[in-house]
Amino acid sequence: NAGVMQNPRHLVRRRGQEARLRCSPMKGHSHVYWYRQLPEEGLKFMVYLQKENIIDESGMPKERFSAEFPKEGPSILRIQQVVRGDSAAYFCASSPGGGSSYNEQFFGPGTRLTVL
Amino acid sequence: GDSVTQMEGPVTLSEEAFLTINCTYTATGYPSLFWYVQYPGEGLQLLLKATKADDKGSNKGFEATYRKETTSFHLEKGSVQVSDSAVYFCALSGFSSGSARQLTFGSGTQLTVLP
Repeated sequence: NAGVMQNPRHLVRRRGQEARLRCSPMKGHSHVYWYRQLPEEGLKFMVYLQKENIIDESGMPKERFSAEFPKEGPSILRIQQVVRGDSAAYFCASSPGGGSSYNEQFFGPGTRLTVL
Repeated sequence: GDSVTQMEGPVTLSEEAFLTINCTYTATGYPSLFWYVQYPGEGLQLLLKATKADDKGSNKGFEATYRKETTSFHLEKGSVQVSDSAVYFCALSGFSSGSARQLTFGSGTQLTVLP
């Protein structure tokens, strides 16, 4: 039973390029979360998605960042025109969803983005 | 909004020493509380959790008790091993922003255990 998959594991971009990060949730999970970890800091929530819906994007920067979780395929976090400050580890987590008030989130190994 | 304050690191201990990592939180309502562990180059793994006041979460010799009166969830282990060296994150899950169940994390505590 594969866990949460993220690719690429490492991504290097030059300033102004686009970065595209992918996340495949665990089998049977319909909820995806993206978090960003800046150097020497904890993880910060970015966005919460269900299939074809953005539920909460309160942690997303207003410009250049977007996320989707299509009916088929992985969730994508897209960063346009990257800047050096976007260098960070980006983690995806998934949960099964459902009616419980608590749903454990399972984390992927992360994508480490370096902007030159 | 919700927040988690975690003991500053790094923490260095000798093998078999007692470990405490302090964690306090601010949240509305009744959040669920978690400790996650991150080994070098890897993602976060859930270590233990507690979903209501006075619950004790435990796993692999680690324990933490949900104390509503002191808004704390301190992590403890009686005898640490070299293999426990990692970064430990305290986190909470509330219901801010409508139905979202986002996790709010502390800044992490780096633990190094020396043989």
